[in-house]
Amino acid sequence: NAGVTQTPKFRILKIGQSMTLQCAQDMNHNYMYWYRQDPGMGLKLIYYSVGAGITDKGEVPNGYNVSRSTTEDFPLRLELAAPSQTSVYFCASSWGLAGGYEQYFGPGTRLTVT
Amino acid sequence: AQTVTQSQPEMSVQEAETVTLSCTYDTSESDYYLFWYKQPPSRQMILVIRQEAYKQQNATENRFSVNFQKAAKSFSLKISDSQLGDAAMYFCAYRRYNNNDMRFGAGTRLTVKP
Repeated sequence: NAGVTQTPKFRILKIGQSMTLQCAQDMNHNYMYWYRQDPGMGLKLIYYSVGAGITDKGEVPNGYNVSRSTTEDFPLRLELAAPSQTSVYFCASSWGLAGGYEQYFGPGTRLTVT
Repeated sequence: AQTVTQSQPEMSVQEAETVTLSCTYDTSESDYYLFWYKQPPSRQMILVIRQEAYKQQNATENRFSVNFQKAAKSFSLKISDSQLGDAAMYFCAYRRYNNNDMRFGAGTRLTVKP
């Protein structure tokens, strides 16, 4: 199993550009999550999904959109990139609510917006 | 809102010795989960240990153990027989029972000296 994979690993965007961060998992997990990690800080939840077709906002959703058309994939869309979105983005997945089940994290995408 | 505080930005320990990382949290809930995650330079988030709030017994995983003080809202991590591979950022995290929003502290950078 590859676990949770993320592409790209690094990306530089200009202000106002858009992009999609890809996330896939091959563990048949129902729950998937997107976090951001700003320098010197812990992770903050952007969006999560409890299954295909179902998504919900986390703590910091502004400036992002998500979709979940399949169990495996959970892409994160940035529209009109801003310098404040410079961060490392982590995707994660779990069997169920992460309190009872371990979250498995991808390797992260480092995004710089200039 | 639940908050997680790690008051030690950096800690260091001699190889083979013991170190304790501190974490406090703020919540009005009685059912929740607490976690310690390790983030090595590779950026991969790795679950070290978790504790269910309803359990009085402190969790242990090999050389890692916690001191969970529910009334004091304290959740410290003890690493025994420290190894060079333990060097990493350590994040304390809180999740309310049946809730997807996990809150992270700002992290403690642990250095292990040979």
